[in-house]
Amino acid sequence: KAGVTQTPRYLIKTRGQQVTLSCSPISGHRSVSWYQQTPGQGLQFLFEYFSETQRNKGNFPGRFSGRQFSNSRSEMNVSTLELGDSALYLCASSFGIADNEQFFGPGTRLTVL
Amino acid sequence: QKEVEQNSGPLSVPEGAIASLNCTYSDRGSQSFFWYRQYSGKSPELIMSIYSNGDKEDGRFTAQLNKASQYVSLLIRDSQPSDSATYLCAGHQAGTALIFGKGTTLSVSS
Repeated sequence: KAGVTQTPRYLIKTRGQQVTLSCSPISGHRSVSWYQQTPGQGLQFLFEYFSETQRNKGNFPGRFSGRQFSNSRSEMNVSTLELGDSALYLCASSFGIADNEQFFGPGTRLTVL
Repeated sequence: QKEVEQNSGPLSVPEGAIASLNCTYSDRGSQSFFWYRQYSGKSPELIMSIYSNGDKEDGRFTAQLNKASQYVSLLIRDSQPSDSATYLCAGHQAGTALIFGKGTTLSVSS
């Protein structure tokens, strides 16, 4: 069974630009969560989607947004990029609401110049 | 604020020894706990999940949960250099997001 895939794997953007990251969950998984990982802050939760509905949202500014499609694929968008947005963005999928085991994709490394 | 605390390490053990990684959590409502291993430059990999008080064994790994003390641990027996990584502890309460600790770096020397 294929794992979680994320595209692109690497991105370089400049301040003020916007970016869209994509995540395809494990086949059959309906829940997708997004995390930001930085050396100083560790893994921080961004949002969680299940059946196209946002179930939980972390403490990030409104510049960070996401959505989930009917095939469970998910995208996250960051607008008006800041230097501090440079991080590894990780997507994780799980089977359903009751199944809490989350499996991570390889991540997208975003660098903001 | 719900928190999961881990000693950042590094924890250094010789090859063949038992590595003991510890984690405490603040949210008494947390019901599920997970250990992830993350190699440098890679994404986290789920290695253990535990939902009930007591021990859960899987190969060389044993997870221990004590909900009264709000304490979770991971024991790695017969540690190998390939076990050298950062180990992330995470706690979850139904209906809320998974909360991660900042991780403990383990170094196994040959």
